[in-house]
Amino acid sequence: QSALTQPRSVSGSPGQSVTISCTGTSSDVGGYNNYVSWYQQHPGKAPKFLIYDVSKRSSGVPDRFSGSRSGSTASLTISGLQAEDEADYYCCSYAGTYNFVIFGGGTKLTVL
Amino acid sequence: QLQLQESGPRLVKPSETLSLTCTVSGGSISSSDSSWGWLRQPPGKGLEWIGNIYYSGSTSYNPSLKSRVTIFRDTSKNQFSLKLSSVTAADTAVYYCARSSPGNYRWFDPWGQGTRVTVSS
Repeated sequence: QSALTQPRSVSGSPGQSVTISCTGTSSDVGGYNNYVSWYQQHPGKAPKFLIYDVSKRSSGVPDRFSGSRSGSTASLTISGLQAEDEADYYCCSYAGTYNFVIFGGGTKLTVL
Repeated sequence: QLQLQESGPRLVKPSETLSLTCTVSGGSISSSDSSWGWLRQPPGKGLEWIGNIYYSGSTSYNPSLKSRVTIFRDTSKNQFSLKLSSVTAADTAVYYCARSSPGNYRWFDPWGQGTRVTVSS
């Protein structure tokens, strides 16, 4: 089972919006379930939980962060970019066929 | 507030067994509203799920590691543990424990701070 595919890096200026894609297959992201989650990781820190079930925000996560899915590609959109959003972002999906969890390779977000 | 803390040796020799423990405070690992997971991150690389243990005590493992992994718990100490046998340099990573959803791995939250384990002679 290969890792989900994410762009290595994205960038945007403060106040702008960026979207990070996460492409899988019909066995995971595009499967019958909605079990896609997203995590933010600052350097040297543990991941922080942002989004679950494709589009539901974890408690305390600003509504600037939103999730969506089309087919086998999930997306995380961050609007109104702020300097503190600069971090690595990882998608994660349940692969129900195999009862398995698979992560994306991670995307480095740079706020210009 | 739920908190998790990893502990264990930071240096393990090749071919030996890596052993880590996660101590949970502010919640019970026996609760049916959660499962508990181990994940890792090799230096400069992405996250990898290792396995989960459920409130029933049953476990599920990453197929790529299944032959070498055991996750078990001590409910009296509110701890769960990881053993990874026959380690190689490829097992060098930061190891995290985390609370997870009771089924289907819908989320991992919160995470422990992580512990860096190096496999080297």
